[in-house]
Parts: sequence; C-alpha cells; structure tokens
Amino acid sequence: DAKTTQPTSMDCAEGRAANLPCNHSTISGNEYVYWYRQIHSQGPQYIIHGLKNNETNEMASLIITEDRKSSTLILPHATLRDTAVYYCIVRFPSGGSYIPTFGRGTSLIVHP
Amino acid sequence: GAGVSQSPRYKVTKRGQDVALRCDPISGHVSLYWYRQALGQGPEFLTYFNYEAQQDKSGLPNDRFSAERPEGSISTLTIQRTEQRDSAMYRCASSGYRDRVGKLFFGSGTQLSVL
Repeated sequence: DAKTTQPTSMDCAEGRAANLPCNHSTISGNEYVYWYRQIHSQGPQYIIHGLKNNETNEMASLIITEDRKSSTLILPHATLRDTAVYYCIVRFPSGGSYIPTFGRGTSLIVHP
Repeated sequence: GAGVSQSPRYKVTKRGQDVALRCDPISGHVSLYWYRQALGQGPEFLTYFNYEAQQDKSGLPNDRFSAERPEGSISTLTIQRTEQRDSAMYRCASSGYRDRVGKLFFGSGTQLSVL
C-alpha cells in the first residue's frame, strides 16, 4: 500500500504562494493523489485530486512529478483563512475496497 | 440533505454505557465512511458501506464497535460498554457511486466524551 509523507508544519506569508509537498514514492499506477484540508474542528474538506497530469481549480493547483512519486499542492495567494491542516492522500485498495487513509498532515500557518 | 449530518454533536457518557452515533449522508451518496479522530491526529478509518453492505470493517478497534446502514442511507455507529479511551471525535463522510477515488464529504462530527 502506498503511504504518504508530509512535513509536520509550514508557514507562509499572507499573499505569497504556499507550496505543500507530499512524498508518495510507493504509489502504484492506478492510484490517485488527493488533497484535503481541515480547519479548526471542522471535518476535512476536499481540495483537489489528480492521477498524473497537473490540475488546477478555484482553490489550488496540484503538481505531480513525472514519476508520480511526489506532488505539491500550491495555494497561489495564501490568505489567513488558509491556515489549516493539509492532508495528502493516496487511494489504495484494502481487500478490494478503496479507503482514503489520512496521516497527520501538514499544519500550515499563514501569517500577516 | 445539503450536507452530511451527524448527531448528536456532543455526547457525554459514563464508562460502561452504550452509545449510538448517527450519520445522515448526502442524498443519493452510495458510500458512507466512519472515521475517528483524536486531538492533533488525522482521521482514522473505522468502517465503510456501499449501499447497505458493510464493505470493510478492518478499522473497528474491537468487537465493542459496530456499525449498520440497514436501508442504504442513514448509518449508526454503536459503541458498547464504552471506555475512556473511546473518547474522540467521530466523523462520518459520504461519497457518490462513481467517485470511488476518495472525494469525501464530511459531517461536523460527534464529540464523544466518556467519563
């Protein structure tokens, strides 16, 4: 099963780009990379996902390396409200099912 | 409903009591997941359903924990003979049938405190 490794914490200045890395060196060919974030005590919120191509939506961009062993979530203009824990998830099968498994994530602090 | 609804929002119980936590998923969502989250940790998988069928319960800590989804919609997570170590935030999430890659929609959770 693929696992992910993320830095425990990062900080970023407001208005600057926040680049959150994730290592998933054992990812297999049919596994997607998903990013979620969790603000305070709220439930995790979906941000973006991808398989091999870079993706962009209204919230963020996802850059996946060509070998798919790592990815970076980019918040192009971080705001104070982006302070949250960010989870990188790789979907992997367990007994034929597909269970999103969360690690400890990266705690991002955006400061003024 | 518009989102995933969980009840109660808070549950305080005494050790040894049984508790039942309810999850009402987004209408039409086939898959329903239960997670448990300790303070400072990521959500920990417990079990999940497709329709009414429990697909995987490998994350349930022991046989005091059980879950059901009898009509393929609302689900109940039951903890029997609660212990203090069961105290945590219990989160439910749902996803649509075709979206099997893990795009989950989470509820606000039930904070369980066992005294």
